[in-house]
Amino acid sequence: QVQLVQSGAEVKKPGASVKVSCEASGYIFTASYMHWVRQAPGQGLEWMGRINPDSGVTNFAQKFQGRVTLTRDKSSRTVYMELSGLRSDDTAIYFCTRGNTEYLQDWGQGTLVTASS
Amino acid sequence: QSALAQPRSVSGSPGQSVTISCTGTSSDVGGYDYVSWYQQHPGRAPKVLIYDVTKRPSGVPDRFSGSKSGNTASLTISGLQSEDEADYYCCSYAGSYTLVFGGGTKLTVL
Repeated sequence: QVQLVQSGAEVKKPGASVKVSCEASGYIFTASYMHWVRQAPGQGLEWMGRINPDSGVTNFAQKFQGRVTLTRDKSSRTVYMELSGLRSDDTAIYFCTRGNTEYLQDWGQGTLVTASS
Repeated sequence: QSALAQPRSVSGSPGQSVTISCTGTSSDVGGYDYVSWYQQHPGRAPKVLIYDVTKRPSGVPDRFSGSKSGNTASLTISGLQSEDEADYYCCSYAGSYTLVFGGGTKLTVL
């Protein structure tokens, strides 16, 4: 079955960068886009961007353009999300989620990123 | 890319039906048949209930149904059960290879 396993919780100081990984299994890695969605404490879901694991081409919500980098390693079937210039309002759970056409079919367990001095 | 508009909360008694609306614009909900709905229980990852406006993934009960009219999509849950108490989010393709979520609706089963 499809599994998306994310890296563990992170605590970073404001201004730092954080890199979260998402290891995929159970499907053809290059056949599905990988999206990233975040959820601040007590708040709703926010779509951040996606990567085509085959070509490496990325698309982002305007809000995250220039601050988020998505990369992939085909050999390890892993996608990475790096967020730079962390602020306190970036504190959130970050989910990787496998796309199927234009919906989000499978989800990772989430990674809590805390930005605090 | 503004969030789609959803009611903050809805409620219903077991066995009843509830409908959650999701209002966008002609640039997202109204412009594409790519609306999906997600259920999220506390502390859990979201789970897709409906995709492409009306389609249900295998394993999702047919008590859950989706529709769309103009710039507003709707999720209807019939035969409410206690386990349906959760947060519900709509999501739409918004052009330029982007997605946008609604603000979320908390469903309370009375």
